[in-house]
Amino acid sequence: QQQVKQSPQSLIVQKGGISIINCAYENTAFDYFPWYQQFPGKGPALLIAIRPDVSEKKEGRFTISFNKSAKQFSLHIMDSQPGDSATYFCAASGNYGQNFVFGPGTRLSVLP
Amino acid sequence: KAGVTQTPRYLIKTRGQQVTLSCSPISGHRSVSWYQQTPGQGLQFLFEYFSETQRNKGNFPGRFSGRQFSNSRSEMNVSTLELGDSALYLCASSWGNSPLHFGNGTRLTVT
Repeated sequence: QQQVKQSPQSLIVQKGGISIINCAYENTAFDYFPWYQQFPGKGPALLIAIRPDVSEKKEGRFTISFNKSAKQFSLHIMDSQPGDSATYFCAASGNYGQNFVFGPGTRLSVLP
Repeated sequence: KAGVTQTPRYLIKTRGQQVTLSCSPISGHRSVSWYQQTPGQGLQFLFEYFSETQRNKGNFPGRFSGRQFSNSRSEMNVSTLELGDSALYLCASSWGNSPLHFGNGTRLTVT
């Protein structure tokens, strides 16, 4: 019940295309859903986050879609760029930001 | 504001030795969490400290321990190192209901 499932494991997209990464959770106590971006040799960095009271959040080219009834959320990267090539982790937490659980990660490659 | 600082960046140890890793959180952040990252297991939660007390603990053996000091700086210790302990160890700090802010990690190699 504490797991967060993430797919796909890897993703190859052409420059200018849309990258979509999906996550699913079981624990209905989760109330905060961030996405992290990690480049080689660096720690994960917060990209965008959403709470379950909204169904969508957009920041620049990055959008989170959230489906509370299906217990699913996804990251959309519009107009993908080679600089977006990184590993993306979805996560979930509850209880005032404690007990973060991370998905296994998606390695995104954007071809020039 | 300075970010989360982890030292050292790289460590090479021999099986059976022990190691101590250090983490300085963002100023004002009182919660420090530690994660182990490996290619096969992803990000695995080790433990979280808040106000010098361990608040949460992951499913790791007792060889993994940590502590937090009054200035919120934290250390984690791994005793009797095994080859499988080779990983990137990440520290993250947060305040209240804020998201986790990660350091760049310590790469531990056990030979």
